[in-house]
Amino acid sequence: SYVLTQPPSVSVAPGKTARITCGGNNIGSKSVHWYQQKPGQAPVLVIYYDSDRPSGIPERFSGSNSGNTATLTISRVEAGDEADYYCQVWDSSSDHRRVVFGGGTKLTVL
Amino acid sequence: EVQLLESGGGLVQPGGSLRLSCAASGFTFSSYAMSWVRQAPGKGLEWVSAISGSGGSTYYADSVKGRFTISRDNSKNTLYLQMNSLRAEDTAVYYCAKAPQGIAGQGEFDIWGQGTMVTVSS
Repeated sequence: SYVLTQPPSVSVAPGKTARITCGGNNIGSKSVHWYQQKPGQAPVLVIYYDSDRPSGIPERFSGSNSGNTATLTISRVEAGDEADYYCQVWDSSSDHRRVVFGGGTKLTVL
Repeated sequence: EVQLLESGGGLVQPGGSLRLSCAASGFTFSSYAMSWVRQAPGKGLEWVSAISGSGGSTYYADSVKGRFTISRDNSKNTLYLQMNSLRAEDTAVYYCAKAPQGIAGQGEFDIWGQGTMVTVSS
C-alpha cells in the first residue's frame, strides 16, 4: 500500500520560513493536499492540488510537488501557525481507491 | 454557512455496534462526495470511508472493510456510518468531511465537522 512519510516535528523561529516535507514513491504524479490541525480542533485545508490555496488562507502558505517529495512552505512564520500538519493523497494503485494521510508533522514556533 | 455536525458517538463494548450521523447544511448535499476520517487519541488522521454524491460509489479502508458501512440520505442531508463488530482500536474521534465535487475517489476535503468521539471498551 502507498505510504506517505512526514518528519514528526519541525521547529522554526518567528519570521522565518518553515518547510514540511511529505515523501512518497513518485508522489509528483499524484495530487497532494495539506491540512492544519490545532489542538482540540478539526483539520483545516490549507493547500490543495499541490499548490492551490483556499480562500481565507494567507499567502504565506504555499506548496510544491515533484519527484518523490511534496513540500508545504510557510513563510514569515507566526505563533498562530503552531499546529500539526498532514499531507493527503488518493491512492489508486491497487484494485480500489483509498485515501492516504501522512503521519503528521508538529510545527513548533520557537 | 456551510456546516457539518456529527452525532451518535459514545461508549460501546467490544463487538458492539454504533451508527454515526453527520447533518449537513448550507450547501446542496447531494452534489458532493463525503468521507469519514478518524483520529485515535494522540494519533494522526486515518481515512475510513468515502461515498459519492449520489451514493452509488463507496470506498473503505482495509481496516474497516466488512465491518463498517457508509451511506447517505440526500433527502435528509445526512451522512451515516454504521459500525459493527467494534474493536478497541476503533476508539477515535470520527470526523465527517466534504469533498468539493460529487465524484468520490479524488481530491481534497474542504469542509470538516467538529467530530464525535467513539470509545470501544468493556
